[in-house]
Amino acid sequence: DTGVSQDPRHKITKRGQNVTFRCDPISEHNRLYWYRQTLGQGPEFLTYFQNEAQLEKSRLLSDRFSAERPKGSFSTLEIQRTEQGDSAMYLCASSSGTGGFGNTIYFGEGSWLTVV
Amino acid sequence: GENVEQHPSTLSVQEGDSAVIKCTYSDSASNYFPWYKQELGKRPQLIIDIRSNVGEKKDQRIAVTLNKTAKHFSLHITETQPEDSAVYFCAASISNTGNQFYFGTGTSLTVIP
Repeated sequence: DTGVSQDPRHKITKRGQNVTFRCDPISEHNRLYWYRQTLGQGPEFLTYFQNEAQLEKSRLLSDRFSAERPKGSFSTLEIQRTEQGDSAMYLCASSSGTGGFGNTIYFGEGSWLTVV
Repeated sequence: GENVEQHPSTLSVQEGDSAVIKCTYSDSASNYFPWYKQELGKRPQLIIDIRSNVGEKKDQRIAVTLNKTAKHFSLHITETQPEDSAVYFCAASISNTGNQFYFGTGTSLTVIP
């Protein structure tokens, strides 16, 4: 399977605990994105990597959130001291970054987080 | 930043009828507009996209139109089928930066058999 894969698919955690999500992008895609989606809303941008460099972070990404892409391949998104408002689906996406006119992004299946 | 608005939020059509979903954007620099279909609990999947150098693109029963002057673009689905039932999202981005895609709030389409 050459699609974007995410793990775990579902996570239930108690408030205050830390959680980490992993994303494996499509092979050779150098751009990787994290989005958050809540029920009835479109995906909201969180952060973006080009290779291993984190180039942009949304204001939505509080200090409790950190993302890494250490070798320019897979990425992790960690949420520390989770709050109930963090409950959402966390979507990872990747793109090739080539071709100047249009840059299609492909999403993974998402990681559902429920904070109780 | 860019602001994408999408209407309607829900849409019900009879099987075989057409469905139209409209989006507007605010940043005239946006030049790439994809549409995604998301079934319940699944990933958003790209169904069609359009770049600002064309006004219309068609792929079988799906078409997208773009009016750069008015800053709006629309998704048209003809001969709808029950399997078209899903949530559809429009998005806008500036391709030379490619770092942010701004999504609409989605349209829940129900095709009634």
